[in-house]
Amino acid sequence: GAGVSQSPSNKVTEKGKDVELRCDPISGHTALYWYRQSLGQGLEFLIYFQGNSAPDKSGLPSDRFSAERTGGSVSTLTIQRTQQEDSAVYLCASSLEAGPGNQPQHFGDGTRLSIL
Amino acid sequence: AQSVAQPEDQVNVAEGNPLTVKCTYSVSGNPYLFWYVQYPNRGLQFLLKYITGDNLVKGSYGFEAEFNKSQTSFHLKKPSALVSDSALYFCAVRDILTGGFKTIFGAGTRLFVKA
Repeated sequence: GAGVSQSPSNKVTEKGKDVELRCDPISGHTALYWYRQSLGQGLEFLIYFQGNSAPDKSGLPSDRFSAERTGGSVSTLTIQRTQQEDSAVYLCASSLEAGPGNQPQHFGDGTRLSIL
Repeated sequence: AQSVAQPEDQVNVAEGNPLTVKCTYSVSGNPYLFWYVQYPNRGLQFLLKYITGDNLVKGSYGFEAEFNKSQTSFHLKKPSALVSDSALYFCAVRDILTGGFKTIFGAGTRLFVKA
């Protein structure tokens, strides 16, 4: 079946530009997560959405970062006025959380963002 | 707040030998613990999880992990390593009580299996 799809797979842009990264979760998955993986580093939690609850934005590094999830499905991560330190791989994941939150996450292949 | 530590940046083992990748965690309540693997230029794949019950959990590709509450550890193990196991391994923790579905990942451990 279809997995988590992220687009674009690669994005190169100039410093100061805005970028939008898209994530299509697995159909029916209620939870959606965004992470950032810098070169040689671990995953940094950014934000998660679960059902109709308010998202947990506690991992967003600055007010230049925002995310939305429309209709409980597709999500867009927006970075405004990009800086070189924003260069990283942005990973999206989804999971089917029907109750206690014990389900594993399914990851997309990521968007590699390069800021010139 | 929850946290997780993977004390080894890299683990080297010979093919056929047992392997262990270490993970320790810190949570306020009861942890949900996960291991994921990342192959080159790919997204992460789920290996196994501990939620409750038996301390030894078995997962994909012959991997297993042992939950040790007193040592707050969740080490990943495999009895006989394969060259194809070479990858980046991540331990992750959730503290549903205080953090909801927020999942914190360790920095990752790179496993090299030599033929």
